[in-house]
Amino acid sequence: DVKVTQSSRYLVKRTGEKVFLECVQDMDHENMFWYRQDPGLGLRLIYFSYDVKMKEKGDIPEGYSVSREKKERFSLILESASTNQTSMYLCASSLQGRDTQYFGPGTRLTVL
Amino acid sequence: DAKTTQPNSMESNEEEPVHLPCNHSTISGTDYIHWYRQLPSQGPEYVIHGLTSNVNNRMASLAIAEDRKSSTLILHRATLRDAAVYYCILRDGRAMAQKLVFGQGTRLTINP
Repeated sequence: DVKVTQSSRYLVKRTGEKVFLECVQDMDHENMFWYRQDPGLGLRLIYFSYDVKMKEKGDIPEGYSVSREKKERFSLILESASTNQTSMYLCASSLQGRDTQYFGPGTRLTVL
Repeated sequence: DAKTTQPNSMESNEEEPVHLPCNHSTISGTDYIHWYRQLPSQGPEYVIHGLTSNVNNRMASLAIAEDRKSSTLILHRATLRDAAVYYCILRDGRAMAQKLVFGQGTRLTINP
């Protein structure tokens, strides 16, 4: 079974802190994605990566950056956390040429 | 991405079949129909997908209308564990790494 793991299920940070969310997949997938999920807004894509060191902006990249130094790991960075970044963050991965995305359990981030 | 329309909520009884409808009248010839579901406090998980023909797997069946403007996800014998939000999504089969556009989905309640 494909496994996508995220570093934390719940995280509480203060405004202005730098926040790192880590995602690891164990199936050698080329593509990795970061979404955020908010009530009434569905899932929105923040960034995705289709290869090591490659990244593409999604629909809402402002306030975020990403890092993909190894194929299995995709990190989301909030340079200076703000209260409007309180959300559920979901990581996903997929095989190149295949549509199916496999999601991690999510990290519920609260910024106070 | 072409738009899909689903009922906000549905209710069924345990051990009965469930038919979850999805309308996608603007679907293009290269769009695949994907279904994901999201159980409470978890990330979305893939259920099934198809292009033109009906599809079956261990989780569900997908019935696609002949004109492809609608589809139905069928859970043959619902259990309490099937209570989730079900998302119908269209994906262009020609695209490489691409976001999933989740709408509001259908919240399925299963009564014991």
